Amino acid sequence: QKEVEQNSGPLSVPEGAIASLNCTYSDRGSQSFFWYRQYSGKSPELIMFIYSNGDKEDGRFTAQLNKASQYVSLLIRDSQPSDSATYLCAVRSGGSYIPTFGRGTSLIVHP
Amino acid sequence: DAGVTQSPTHLIKTRGQQVTLRCSPKSGHDTVSWYQQALGQGPQFIFQYYEEEERQRGNFPDRFSGHQFPNYSSELNVNALLLGDSALYLCASSRGGVGEHEQYFGPGTRLTVT
Repeated sequence: QKEVEQNSGPLSVPEGAIASLNCTYSDRGSQSFFWYRQYSGKSPELIMFIYSNGDKEDGRFTAQLNKASQYVSLLIRDSQPSDSATYLCAVRSGGSYIPTFGRGTSLIVHP
Repeated sequence: DAGVTQSPTHLIKTRGQQVTLRCSPKSGHDTVSWYQQALGQGPQFIFQYYEEEERQRGNFPDRFSGHQFPNYSSELNVNALLLGDSALYLCASSRGGVGEHEQYFGPGTRLTVT
């Protein structure tokens, strides 16, 4: 059973701070890693994907992948109230076309 | 660039009825995946269609079936609806060839079974 674990939160950070969201996965054969943002009542929006160990930056977002330790994280710099949402981690194994989703971490950015 | 579209946005059905949900993929995408998302949960994979065939299926009963058309659009059918089928149904599209398979979601269909 391939598992993707996320702390459900909520994670509360002040405006302007760095929000750090973490995700661990069980399948060592995992190859592709995705972060989705989901606002309440809306569908998930792909915000980052990473395939190689290390960091990948896109604007205020940085995804960090450590395959040896089987975790992937998402850093949001200069957090804004508009970043308040649930962040879903999704992990795809090498033998599958489909990623497995975690339950998501709720992020609250307060002014 | 047209994104993923789904219809209808909301639907209310009675237990035992049947429902059909529709999805058109993002421009340039040929693969459609369907997910069910209950409140407070991550999306649960139902099945994926590629080249008009079901390529992969999740742990859902046969009451859930689908179809992909030559223009890559897709339908999800659910028969004999149960109260527990109430959820947000998401369609995601991607490029189906060899690659990393980034998926992009449509706005979803909110199904309520009474």
